[in-house]
Amino acid sequence: AQRVTQPEKLLSVFKGAPVELKCNYSYSGSPELFWYVQYSRQRLQLLLRHISRESIKGFTADLNKGETSFHLKKPFAQEEDSAMYYCAPAGGTSYGKLTFGQGTILTVHP
Amino acid sequence: KAGVTQTPRYLIKTRGQQVTLSCSPISGHRSVSWYQQTPGQGLQFLFEYFSETQRNKGNFPGRFSGRQFSNSRSEMNVSTLELGDSALYLCASSLEAANSPLHFGNGTRLTVT
Repeated sequence: AQRVTQPEKLLSVFKGAPVELKCNYSYSGSPELFWYVQYSRQRLQLLLRHISRESIKGFTADLNKGETSFHLKKPFAQEEDSAMYYCAPAGGTSYGKLTFGQGTILTVHP
Repeated sequence: KAGVTQTPRYLIKTRGQQVTLSCSPISGHRSVSWYQQTPGQGLQFLFEYFSETQRNKGNFPGRFSGRQFSNSRSEMNVSTLELGDSALYLCASSLEAANSPLHFGNGTRLTVT
């Protein structure tokens, strides 16, 4: 069965501290991997996807196929990073279907 | 470009009734997906439509159905509402390619009493 685990429901850090949001997945085949973010009173939006290998808003995500993990990292957290973050793999010819994790609420304190 | 638009924003219905939710995708996006979001289950995939055809379906009962029109607009219908159907229903649009990023609307908040 396809499964996504985000072990931390809540994560608090201080501004300027490094942050890592964990994501482990169990998925058949080689899924495409995404991180989505929802800021307060905004719609759910794409933060980054593995295939792009981009750094968005200072965030990067490393795919570890051996550990089946796709952790999201940022070296220096900012207050505006406070949001709900979802890890979401999509597999094969998965049209429109993402398997979302339960999400991690990140709070960055001043 | 205008984003994904969902109407109405809020709905209150009673058990046993049926409800129809509407979604207008981003211009040029032909794939529309629907998700249910609840505090307990999180975000769960309902179904996806492309060119008026359902291509993918989640594990929801047959009371949940959808359709897509030739202009890519989509509707979702829930019949015989149950209390457990209370949720935020999100629509997302994307380009037609598999695993294209999803662009979400603000959702319709459905409350069943």
